[in-house]
Amino acid sequence: QQQVKQSPQSLIVQKGGISIINCAYENTAFDYFPWYQQFPGKGPALLIAIRPDVSEKKEGRFTISFNKSAKQFSLHIMDSQPGDSATYFCAASRPGNQFYFGTGTSLTVIP
Amino acid sequence: KAGVTQTPRYLIKTRGQQVTLSCSPISGHRSVSWYQQTPGQGLQFLFEYFSETQRNKGNFPGRFSGRQFSNSRSEMNVSTLELGDSALYLCASTLGGNSPYEQYFGPGTRLTVT
Repeated sequence: QQQVKQSPQSLIVQKGGISIINCAYENTAFDYFPWYQQFPGKGPALLIAIRPDVSEKKEGRFTISFNKSAKQFSLHIMDSQPGDSATYFCAASRPGNQFYFGTGTSLTVIP
Repeated sequence: KAGVTQTPRYLIKTRGQQVTLSCSPISGHRSVSWYQQTPGQGLQFLFEYFSETQRNKGNFPGRFSGRQFSNSRSEMNVSTLELGDSALYLCASTLGGNSPYEQYFGPGTRLTVT
């Protein structure tokens, strides 16, 4: 059973556009929601994270929007750049430090 | 502060053999988790160790095992390798404890089973 569902599987965006990746979860015990960025041949890198007491968190061009009632959260990449082309994973964690990952979104930003 | 390191980076083994992978967490981090990443299955959680004790375990067969040492370094062992075990094995570390902290990944060990 997939604990965290991620969509879309792939995304193509023009340079300067907004990339939006969505995730949904069921377990209300989750209390930490990170996003990871992974380039080919590298391990995932922590990009930005949010806790459920906050509805939005912004770091530079990256924003997480969190909807606790809908059990959904999303990553918005503003002014997308070719260097943002990577695979993005959402995740959720519950107390006890077990992380559950989405299936990943392959983002391609076209110059 | 040095990041998570994993050795070796690449490994080629034959079906039926066993393999041991090593992970050194970020200094001060006490929790180490292991993941298997494949194109078809994404990131699959193997197990997590905290203070030398396995605290969480994913849904993998008993051929996959691990341990953690007193200095928080961790090893993962896969016995009787199968072709389907070919994957990128990732180690991640966090400070640990019951509250989720930022998790940082190493570069992974690419295991190929022939």
